Amino acid sequence: DARVTQTPRHKVTEMGQEVTMRCQPILGHNTVFWYRQTMMQGLELLAYFRNRAPLDDSGMPKDRFSAEMPDATLATLKIQPSEPRDSAVYFCASGQGQGSYGYTFGSGTRLTVV
Amino acid sequence: KQEVTQIPAALSVPEGENLVLNCSFTDSAIYNLQWFRQDPGKGLTSLLLIQSSQREQTSGRLNASLDKSSGRSTLYIAASQPGDSATYLCAVLFSGGYNKLIFGAGTRLAVHP
Repeated sequence: DARVTQTPRHKVTEMGQEVTMRCQPILGHNTVFWYRQTMMQGLELLAYFRNRAPLDDSGMPKDRFSAEMPDATLATLKIQPSEPRDSAVYFCASGQGQGSYGYTFGSGTRLTVV
Repeated sequence: KQEVTQIPAALSVPEGENLVLNCSFTDSAIYNLQWFRQDPGKGLTSLLLIQSSQREQTSGRLNASLDKSSGRSTLYIAASQPGDSATYLCAVLFSGGYNKLIFGAGTRLAVHP
């Protein structure tokens, strides 16, 4: 089964530290989404890419978050510096083209900032 | 603003009941709609995908319908089982410009024996 792979699965870090989360989309998928899930806000769209180009990152706090796709097999989400309010589960999803076949989600990275 | 709303927020039913979960969206210009299931502490599993040109999709005991003009979708679960207990999320891929996949807050379902 093709799957979206996210690493690490869990991350505990101290406030102020840099955090990098990685996502390997399904081979051949050219659209990648990043979401953040919390109990209070549900699933929030942070950023998304098509053909490695950022299309929309308006949901992302620009001062501390950054998202990139260095190549077609890797998407990264970085937080610097991290804050306790960033504690959440971060999901990556990938799909083909306009999303005709839907999107597949990774298992998420559970981030705890203490 | 493109928004997705799910009702009810939570549902508790005895095993065997037939259920309807509701999803509404503010903009009828959609590409497709996807229903997901999420178990506690886990990722999202895709259940059904309905294209904007379709009226319904079925998979086993699940049936999803789409009424694009009224901005509604329903997920019907027949003969519910305790194993169906999970959170069900509706996600709408809005068209126009860059397609955005927007989620509802989910319906938390508990099916008790």
